Amino acid sequence: SAVISQKPSRDICQRGTSLTIQCQVDSQVTMMFWYRQQPGQSLTLIATANQGSEATYESGFVIDKFPISRPNLTFSTLTVSNMSPEDSSIYLCSVSGRRYTEAFFGQGTRLTVV
Amino acid sequence: TQLLEQSPQFLSIQEGENLTVYCNSSSVFSSLQWYRQEPGEGPVLLVTVVTGGEVKKLKRLTFQFGDARKDSSLHITAAQPGDTGLYLCAGEQRGSEKLVFGKGTKLTVNP
Repeated sequence: SAVISQKPSRDICQRGTSLTIQCQVDSQVTMMFWYRQQPGQSLTLIATANQGSEATYESGFVIDKFPISRPNLTFSTLTVSNMSPEDSSIYLCSVSGRRYTEAFFGQGTRLTVV
Repeated sequence: TQLLEQSPQFLSIQEGENLTVYCNSSSVFSSLQWYRQEPGEGPVLLVTVVTGGEVKKLKRLTFQFGDARKDSSLHITAAQPGDTGLYLCAGEQRGSEKLVFGKGTKLTVNP
């Protein structure tokens, strides 16, 4: 398993501003994943972050809105840019385990945009 | 179209009752995983099933993978209030590094 530290754990932000979420893993991993989880809902994959290359975004998500950095094998950031109330959600980072594609998650960042 | 259909979406039961949550798809998965998520936390992996027909037990929880590896179930015996949470199934498709998540089952066990 992997231990993932994500911060901030929660934030309340003004619309039009940006928030950067950090994700630190206790071991080196090739791929890191960023998800969005709207209240009471399941997880939607935003993008896959590989070290040394551009992140791969899922349909409906674009780099200008959700820029991602992956400077090394243990760290990644997701920025939510030019926020609106519709961006209010829980944002989660995860990594895959050594076996299969089972995922380990950070505790999430609960974002409220007012 | 949701690739993994999970049901029921909500379930509220009394302590001591049994329940089953289903995860169905028309697609074949290399593996299927079940997660449990509590408020304010990320999902936590409960089990991974890999072989068609496989049954795994985790205390009062029994997980089954369908023979065709297209569906799975989670059965909880004698539910406890501590079982309350959001249960998510997730499937791994061959050749993909990404997981496909079901919509989740929000379980409430009342004392």
